[in-house]
Amino acid sequence: QKEVEQDPGPLSVPEGAIVSLNCTYSNSAFQYFMWYRQYSRKGPELLMYTYSSGNKEDGRFTAQVDKSSKYISLFIRDSQPSDSATYLCAMISSRDYKLSFGAGTTVTVRA
Amino acid sequence: DARVTQTPRHKVTEMGQEVTMRCQPILGHNTVFWYRQTMMQGLELLAYFRNRAPLDDSGMPKDRFSAEMPDATLATLKIQPSEPRDSAVYFCASGMGYEQYFGPGTRLTVT
Repeated sequence: QKEVEQDPGPLSVPEGAIVSLNCTYSNSAFQYFMWYRQYSRKGPELLMYTYSSGNKEDGRFTAQVDKSSKYISLFIRDSQPSDSATYLCAMISSRDYKLSFGAGTTVTVRA
Repeated sequence: DARVTQTPRHKVTEMGQEVTMRCQPILGHNTVFWYRQTMMQGLELLAYFRNRAPLDDSGMPKDRFSAEMPDATLATLKIQPSEPRDSAVYFCASGMGYEQYFGPGTRLTVT
């Protein structure tokens, strides 16, 4: 079993919809939780990060972490065609700063 | 706008040939990572350095892969001899602490 499991998708939503992306993890040592966005044929781009449990909002993006359930989510409100990309969750332990990635969820926002 | 740069962006080579990929991390970042991305395996960590010292290369096939950081502005990943199964996109990332910033990648095809 992988340390990080991500809902596989793909997701296709109409413009303006809310996109919900989810990951679960098994390693209790993970303390920092990130979301990366990867456009086709580009490198992953750090979108948001959170430390420990709670919510963090940045514009149309909200990241949630529930450490008791080992579950993290990313919500995209008022989705736009430019949000079409693969979203990867990633987690890191403060022990070694090695990122463990989910497999990624490909999102398509239809105009 | 500081960015991680990678060269070459694309490489096609024949099985058995040596391949060298180069990375220039963002100035001031003290950690450098090499990742490989394939459809089947997703993003895999190959090796990483902190303050130019190799900390972990457990993700690399030791017999054919080597990673070095000859100075603070250059990291290299070599494959010798290359095999068709090495075909993938290789990403370099640099960071301070838990944030990692990815380069555009080198797309390697071994025929």
